[in-house]
Amino acid sequence: QVQLVQSGSEVKNPGASVKVSCRTSGYTFTTYGITWVRQAPGQGLEWMGWISTFNGNTNYEQKLQGRVTMTTDTSTRTAYMELRSLRSDDTAVYYCARAGGNPDYWGQGTLVTVSS
Amino acid sequence: QAVVTQEPSLTVSPGGTVTLTCGSSTGAVTSGHYPYWFQQKPGQAPTTLIYDTSDKHSWTPARFSGSLLGGKAALTLSGAQPEDEADYYCLLAYSDARLFGGGTKLTVL
Repeated sequence: QVQLVQSGSEVKNPGASVKVSCRTSGYTFTTYGITWVRQAPGQGLEWMGWISTFNGNTNYEQKLQGRVTMTTDTSTRTAYMELRSLRSDDTAVYYCARAGGNPDYWGQGTLVTVSS
Repeated sequence: QAVVTQEPSLTVSPGGTVTLTCGSSTGAVTSGHYPYWFQQKPGQAPTTLIYDTSDKHSWTPARFSGSLLGGKAALTLSGAQPEDEADYYCLLAYSDARLFGGGTKLTVL
């Protein structure tokens, strides 16, 4: 069965970087892209971007451009999302999801807390 | 940038029918926005209910259906169950971007 398993919670200082991983199984990795979505505490979902697992092409949400990098490792079937120059309003649960066009299967989420 | 709008909250009686809508600040929502609908229960990851306006996944209960209605995307729940109480989000595609609506908190009461 399709599974996406994300890395554990992180606590970071303002200005630091965080890299969240998303390990996949149960399907042909390069057939679907990976979307990243985040959700601040008590808030709605925010689309962060998408990466093609076939050729590495990316499409980032405009306001995150320059701070976010999405990558994949086809040998381990894992996707990564790195966010730099963290601020307090980056505190959120970060989700990866398999996405041919848009998300179908989701990871369990990774809580990233930005606090001094 | 476009804004996607949803009703902040709705209430439905058990066994009743309710329609949630998803509008776009740029004009009518069309099939070209590939509307998606997601359900999220407290403390859980979202699950995808509807894709490409009206298509269902194998896990989508038959009581959920998607459509275009009056220039908006719509999610209709027919025969609401207590377990349908959740937050519901729509997602629309705009050229290179995707935007979520603010979500609808659905109460079954």
